[in-house]
Amino acid sequence: EPEVTQTPSHQVTQMGQEVILRCVPISNHLYFYWYRQILGQKVEFLVSFYNNEISEKSEIFDDQFSVERPDGSNFTLKIRSTKLEDSAMYFCASSQHPPGEHTEAFFGQGTRLTVV
Amino acid sequence: GQSLEQPSEVTAVEGAIVQINCTYQTSGFYGLSWYQQHDGGAPTFLSYNALDGLEETGRFSSFLSRSDSYGYLLLQELQMKDSASYFCAVVGGATNKLIFGTGTLLAVQP
Repeated sequence: EPEVTQTPSHQVTQMGQEVILRCVPISNHLYFYWYRQILGQKVEFLVSFYNNEISEKSEIFDDQFSVERPDGSNFTLKIRSTKLEDSAMYFCASSQHPPGEHTEAFFGQGTRLTVV
Repeated sequence: GQSLEQPSEVTAVEGAIVQINCTYQTSGFYGLSWYQQHDGGAPTFLSYNALDGLEETGRFSSFLSRSDSYGYLLLQELQMKDSASYFCAVVGGATNKLIFGTGTLLAVQP
């Protein structure tokens, strides 16, 4: 069964450093997303990506964050100058169907980011 | 803004039926989805309601009432493996983004 894969599963970084979280969405999907979940809290939408550009972003997704699809398979989230409050589980997701149609999003297993 | 409220915890016994409610405030959306999450792992899709009414998928059913801004997930014949967090989420925007509720931790006891 196709799945979304994320690397690394864990990432520890020092405050102020840059990190890149990597995702390989399901191959025939068109819509890609990043979500985050601070420990014990709800899952929060960060950004969606379609047709090689950002489609929507939340107020969390400020200039510190960027996304890229550098080739036909990878989808990355870059966090510049990390802060302690960026510590969270980051989930990548993808979906196939256009807005309004049946819409199951497939999530990866997540990258647990710890900023120290 | 958008907000979705759920009970924080629910406890039930094996074989029982449990209902997890979700009330929302949102300006517009395509439908309401439910996701299951075990121990902070990947959220997995359970159901989607685009229209008012009940959708049934095996032991799980989901209900939506747009006029009442309310939905619920019904789990029947509970099993120990159903112990998990359950999130409702409105689906909307240009890319079907998910805005998640606060989540309900379900504990199934023997």
